[in-house]
Amino acid sequence: ETGVTQSPTHLIKTRGQQVTLRCSSQSGHNTVSWYQQALGQGPQFIFQYYREEENGRGNFPPRFSGLQFPNYSSELNVNALELDDSALYLCASTPDAAADLYGYTFGSGTRLTVV
Amino acid sequence: DAKTTQPPSMDCAEGRAANLPCNHSTISGNEYVYWYRQIHSQGPQYIIHGLKNNETNEMASLIITEDRKSSTLILPHATLRDTAVYYCIVSRPPSNTGKLIFGQGTTLQVKP
Repeated sequence: ETGVTQSPTHLIKTRGQQVTLRCSSQSGHNTVSWYQQALGQGPQFIFQYYREEENGRGNFPPRFSGLQFPNYSSELNVNALELDDSALYLCASTPDAAADLYGYTFGSGTRLTVV
Repeated sequence: DAKTTQPPSMDCAEGRAANLPCNHSTISGNEYVYWYRQIHSQGPQYIIHGLKNNETNEMASLIITEDRKSSTLILPHATLRDTAVYYCIVSRPPSNTGKLIFGQGTTLQVKP
């Protein structure tokens, strides 16, 4: 049973709209990362948060932004949606105290379709 | 770009060992080798990781060559549920702002 929960599971948005995706991690998971996975491709790193501050970002434009909250939840916000933003969005977290002993735990993702 | 090279696909007979190779000739001294797998329509699942010593857990074994330029993931007794895309990733650990750069992975098909 995964300790990372993402919502919603599926979402359809219109080009130009804004979307917020949510992720709830296990207690003690202070590191959270977001990934975008297009159909048939491997996941691509968007950004990572550690204790509510961004500490790494991939090659994504500023309209992709995020937040991490003290209760181990986080958000991915995407503004001005484009058709190419259609993808599976994955959240991953890892425990703070033993971050190097375990890999990241991934959620099942949110399937975003932009029409 | 991913720093690893994997064969795009492999087949394995159910009950036999599956040996998945990975080349990472440009690995740095502070980078680990991580293996994840992704079963269709699910998020990636962590399998195992190592720095330079061979590692074993309840899921798999990881064999890293002495020069650390390649590794092999071994699933000792493959089952149909092991059919998935397997990703080999080199990365600094999370405590050192490590991030996972996924390549195309190896699609493992376990056949009855």
